[in-house]
Amino acid sequence: SQTIHQWPATLVQPVGSPLSLECTVEGTSNPNLYWYRQAAGRGLQLLFYSVGIGQISSEVPQNLSASRPQDRQFILSSKKLLLSDSGFYLCAWSRGQGVLKELFFGEGSRLTVL
Amino acid sequence: AQTVTQSQPEMSVQEAETVTLSCTYDTSESDYYLFWYKQPPSRQMILVIRQEAYKQQNATENRFSVNFQKAAKSFSLKISDSQLGDAAMYFCAYRLKYSGGGADGLTFGKGTHLIIQP
Repeated sequence: SQTIHQWPATLVQPVGSPLSLECTVEGTSNPNLYWYRQAAGRGLQLLFYSVGIGQISSEVPQNLSASRPQDRQFILSSKKLLLSDSGFYLCAWSRGQGVLKELFFGEGSRLTVL
Repeated sequence: AQTVTQSQPEMSVQEAETVTLSCTYDTSESDYYLFWYKQPPSRQMILVIRQEAYKQQNATENRFSVNFQKAAKSFSLKISDSQLGDAAMYFCAYRLKYSGGGADGLTFGKGTHLIIQP
């Protein structure tokens, strides 16, 4: 069966510090991978998606970047965090071809920037 | 662009009773999926139910069922015999059925906070 894990679960960082959130998927190959952000009291906003190794698309301009160094690894990064980067970050995967169906989500990472 | 609207920020129901959460969406496509996701306090998003736009029969998963009205672009979730464990944020989401060459992620509504009164 397929599983998805992301870490760390909780992170408190000062403004201007770097960020690295990691997500890995097991039990499937060539998945589509996604990073969503959920700000307090709001819905989910798609930040980045990837259809393959090294292929990253950004949905919104921002202070963050994403990378996919391996087929089932997706990393969310920042060189210098802003207060507005605080939120709950969710990684997700789905089948990459044909009928798309649902996304499967990781446990989430809560980032607080002070 | 597709949009999903959940007009109820918060709903409250007595334990063991039935509650219906509303969702409307806007799309020009004809072949797509609709989903309800649950996000409990643990914050992980869990799929509750899935509906394919071409299927007229409403999806059912145990105590969860949907009322899918394609012409009206309405997709409500009914929870029967509500339990304390049903307390969570519920998100309605839309997705194209087939890849258009991009990632075609989910489009979410802003969510409905469901409170279960014991």
